[in-house]
Amino acid sequence: NAGVTQTPKFRVLKTGQSMTLLCAQDMNHEYMYWYRQDPGMGLRLIHYSVGEGTTAKGEVPDGYNVSRLKKQNFLLGLESAAPSQTSVYFCASSYSVGPQHFGDGTRLSIL
Amino acid sequence: AQRVTQPEKLLSVFKGAPVELKCNYSYSGSPELFWYVQYSRQRLQLLLRHISRESIKGFTADLNKGETSFHLKKPFAQEEDSAMYYCALRSTSYDKVIFGPGTSLSVIP
Repeated sequence: NAGVTQTPKFRVLKTGQSMTLLCAQDMNHEYMYWYRQDPGMGLRLIHYSVGEGTTAKGEVPDGYNVSRLKKQNFLLGLESAAPSQTSVYFCASSYSVGPQHFGDGTRLSIL
Repeated sequence: AQRVTQPEKLLSVFKGAPVELKCNYSYSGSPELFWYVQYSRQRLQLLLRHISRESIKGFTADLNKGETSFHLKKPFAQEEDSAMYYCALRSTSYDKVIFGPGTSLSVIP
């Protein structure tokens, strides 16, 4: 019963490097979300998707790109990492609006 | 613009005492409100949503449109209620859901 799986769990990058965070869900959910969590700020929505092939911007989309080529996967990309993107990233999915199942998070540090 | 505020970063109550976690929102349309909880070393999880009008683990929340609030309440706190609680808002015009900054609840034995 995997639910929502995020990979990797930890990563350290240098400024300017690129990387992709993978979120996979096995519940056939239509909705998927990417959030970042920073101390004192709660979770802020980066991008979200309401179905395969669709994506939309959230509250803080700058510096990130996403893709939902397959229903079960939602990828978050950082093209040129910046120290301000140091954060814990959470993916979530749901069958209707309102994230229901969350992953364990990815702790990302940008030096 | 949508916004969710939770005025208390930390809230401590004694076991058996009533608990109220405050949540206020700003949104000009018809909102949908949620409460999420994250227990220590566990994943964030949905606790309840206002459209369901349900009670989960003894918690209830009522949407007050006049006061633009969605406070989470429980009449008798238990030690296992200690956790981080987040209020969240979804606009019915869009599918994005935004969160408040969270309140850390500590129930003292």
